[in-house]
Amino acid sequence: NAGVTQTPKFQVLKTGQSMTLQCAQDMNHNSMYWYRQDPGMGLRLIYYSASEGTTDKGEVPNGYNVSRLNKREFSLRLESAAPSQTSVYFCAIGGGGATETQYFGPGTRLLVL
Amino acid sequence: AQSVAQPEDQVNVAEGNPLTVKCTYSVSGNPYLFWYVQYPNRGLQFLLKYITGDNLVKGSYGFEAEFNKSQTSFHLKKPSALVSDSALYFCAVRGYYGQNFVFGPGTRLSVLP
Repeated sequence: NAGVTQTPKFQVLKTGQSMTLQCAQDMNHNSMYWYRQDPGMGLRLIYYSASEGTTDKGEVPNGYNVSRLNKREFSLRLESAAPSQTSVYFCAIGGGGATETQYFGPGTRLLVL
Repeated sequence: AQSVAQPEDQVNVAEGNPLTVKCTYSVSGNPYLFWYVQYPNRGLQFLLKYITGDNLVKGSYGFEAEFNKSQTSFHLKKPSALVSDSALYFCAVRGYYGQNFVFGPGTRLSVLP
C-alpha cells in the first residue's frame, strides 16, 4: 500500500457523532476514490474525484461528504454517523484512464454504536 | 450496467495443487479486467489486469488469468498453490468508456497444508 496513507486506522463512534477520514497520496495521481467494504458485497464506491477541485457521487453517497483539498489529499466526512455506516473504508488512487490500475490504502475500520 | 460475479464464496485447495478462482462479467463494449488480493487487515493489492492482446495474462506471485470473451470470464489461476496464497480475491471490471470500477463480492481462498 505504499504511496497511499489513511488516518485513522480504527475509530469507534456513537450514533450521531461526526468524523473525517483522511487520505493522502504521494504518487501524483489525479484520480482519488473512497470505497466501503462490507462482507459479501465487495467494494462499493462512495465518492470519487477525477482531479483537484472536482468530486462526484458513486454508488452509495448518502450520509457522506467529501473534500478534495489539493492534489494529494481527499477526505471523507460522516456528518451524523449511523450504525449502517459501520464498515471498512478504503481510499484508492489512480484509475483515471480506463486501463489504469487503482492502488489502495490500508483502510480505516469504523464501528458506529 | 457493469457487473461482476464471483460464483464461489470460498475455494479450498491443497498446497501444491492448481487453483482457480472464477470471475464472470458484464460490460458494454470491450472490458478491462483486474484481479486484486486482500490479506487480513490490509488494503487491496493489484495482481494483474487484462487490457488487450494475449488472452493469458501473467501477474504477481505466479498468478495468471485467462480472458475468455465468448464466456465473458476472467478466471484467476495458479499452477501450484501455497499456504501463503490464502486470502480474499476480488475481480473488477471497467468498460472502454472509462466508467468506474465495479468489484465482485470476493472469493476467499484457503490453501490447506
